[in-house]
Amino acid sequence: DVKVTQSSRYLVKRTGEKVFLECVQDMDHENMFWYRQDPGLGLRLIYFSYDVKMKEKGDIPEGYSVSREKKERFSLILESASTNQTSMYLCASSPDGDTEAFFGQGTRLTVV
Amino acid sequence: GNSVTQMEGPVTLSEEAFLTINCTYTATGYPSLFWYVQYPGEGLQLLLKATKADDKGSNKGFEATYRKETTSFHLEKGSVQVSDSAVYFCALVPPDNAGNMLTFGGGTRLMVKP
Repeated sequence: DVKVTQSSRYLVKRTGEKVFLECVQDMDHENMFWYRQDPGLGLRLIYFSYDVKMKEKGDIPEGYSVSREKKERFSLILESASTNQTSMYLCASSPDGDTEAFFGQGTRLTVV
Repeated sequence: GNSVTQMEGPVTLSEEAFLTINCTYTATGYPSLFWYVQYPGEGLQLLLKATKADDKGSNKGFEATYRKETTSFHLEKGSVQVSDSAVYFCALVPPDNAGNMLTFGGGTRLMVKP
């Protein structure tokens, strides 16, 4: 089975902190994604990557950056956390040539 | 741009009731269409998909038909169970979309009571 693992289920951080959310997939997928999930808004794409060291902005990249140094790992970085970044963050991966995406369990981030 | 609109929830049903969750989309060409399900405390998982007009996706008793003429992909199940309680997301990937980026609807929470 494809497995997408997010490093934390729950995180509480203070305003202004630098926050790292880590995601690892074990199926050699080319594409990786970070979404945030908010009630009534569904999932919104923050960033995605289609190859190592490649990244593209999604719909809501402001306040976030990403890093993909290895194919299996895709990190989301909040440079200076703010309370409006309190949300559920979901990582996903998919192979080229197939439209199905596989999701991690999510990280619920609270910024206080 | 591309967008997905689905009915707002929550939808509350009794066990064995018939379920319909409406989904319509806006996209150019023929996107691939999906239903994902999120059970409590878990990430999303693919429920079913359809990649061309008139295709029917089905899984676990759920069905959805790709209707190009009405730009819809409504989710149906004939007899829901308590274990179907979850949040359901309709989504699309546009044709020739490098990287397979999904566009999601807002999600519909389904609650099934015994």
